[in-house]
Amino acid sequence: GAGVSQSPSNKVTEKGKDVELRCDPISGHTALYWYRQSLGQGLEFLIYFQGNSAPDKSGLPSDRFSAERTGGSVSTLTIQRTQQEDSAVYLCASSPPKGDEQFFGPGTRLTVL
Amino acid sequence: SQQGEEDPQALSIQEGENATMNCSYKTSINNLQWYRQNSGRGLVHLILIRSNEREKHSGRLRVTLDTSKKSSSLLITASRAADTASYFCATDAWGWGKLQFGAGTQVVVTP
Repeated sequence: GAGVSQSPSNKVTEKGKDVELRCDPISGHTALYWYRQSLGQGLEFLIYFQGNSAPDKSGLPSDRFSAERTGGSVSTLTIQRTQQEDSAVYLCASSPPKGDEQFFGPGTRLTVL
Repeated sequence: SQQGEEDPQALSIQEGENATMNCSYKTSINNLQWYRQNSGRGLVHLILIRSNEREKHSGRLRVTLDTSKKSSSLLITASRAADTASYFCATDAWGWGKLQFGAGTQVVVTP
């Protein structure tokens, strides 16, 4: 079956611009997670959704970052006024109800010039 | 901030040898998971061990957990070139999936 998909796969933007990253989880997976992977910080948790609610946003680095999930499915991570330190690979993962294993997408590589 | 630290940072072995990597963490956990990442397949879940378990096996993988020492180890037996990847431990403190990853161990398996 289809796995987690993310788009775009690569995004190059200029400092100060806004970007939107999209995640399509596996059908039927109720939990959705965003992580960020960068050379300096490793893999960092950003936000967790259960259905359309986000019980834990503690990993979002600043108020420039926001995320939403609609219909219990697709999620969008938005970064406003991008900075060079936002450059990283943004990974999305989903897991089924009562499941602990997370299925990761291929990621979006964001480069802020 | 990262919860886990992995040791060694890098490991180079020959096909057929065993590979062992260790993970230490700081706070109590609900479960600990191991993931593999390579350029071809992204991050892939390997195995999960719960806080009340001490050892678990899956194919050529063996994971141990010592909650008193806050440490875990991953053993890959009879390694293959296809095992070349970065291996990450990830802790789940509360059981709902907020994973905190270690820095990873880069494993290179040469034919």
